[in-house]
Amino acid sequence: GENVEQHPSTLSVQEGDSAVIKCTYSDSASNYFPWYKQELGKRPQLIIDIRSNVGEKKDQRIAVTLNKTAKHFSLHITETQPEDSAVYFCAVSGYSTLTFGKGTMLLVSP
Amino acid sequence: GAGVSQSPSNKVTEKGKDVELRCDPISGHTALYWYRQSLGQGLEFLIYFQGNSAPDKSGLPSDRFSAERTGGSVSTLTIQRTQQEDSAVYLCASSPNFVSGELFFGEGSRLTVL
Repeated sequence: GENVEQHPSTLSVQEGDSAVIKCTYSDSASNYFPWYKQELGKRPQLIIDIRSNVGEKKDQRIAVTLNKTAKHFSLHITETQPEDSAVYFCAVSGYSTLTFGKGTMLLVSP
Repeated sequence: GAGVSQSPSNKVTEKGKDVELRCDPISGHTALYWYRQSLGQGLEFLIYFQGNSAPDKSGLPSDRFSAERTGGSVSTLTIQRTQQEDSAVYLCASSPNFVSGELFFGEGSRLTVL
């Protein structure tokens, strides 16, 4: 089955800095790559996603880039704010289930 | 409308007992998933239902785990003869159709096996 590796496991930044989280996957047939944010004690929620026919997608301060050849994709958060502090999960799917990475705990210090 | 609803929100049981966890997906969503989240861990896939197709049970960790979905709506995850390692938050999610779309998660059922 699909294998998803996510790095780093924890990331601490100062408010206003940028944060980058990277995921790699194993199945070259995978074609859908979402990112979910889970605040402490809350349910995971979709923040951005990208499909295999697109290399980059932006939504205000967040962006996702995809390199299908290298089988990796990254989440970029610019101008980080304390409310960005949460656990972020990448996920990958093809024609079957959605496989999640182990998550990155992002801490944004004021 | 209402989101994904899960019950119970918390369940404490003794080792060896059976437990049932319930999920009410968003009305009209044909896809339903169960994931398990242990403390500090990621989201471990358990089982996936899509419409009337046979479920994908490839993530169930042992034959003590089973799930069903009645009438294409409500789903029940059953864990028989619970073990301490089964302690986790069990998350249910639904999606309008195919897997390549947004998942809407419930709040989860926190299971503690003593």
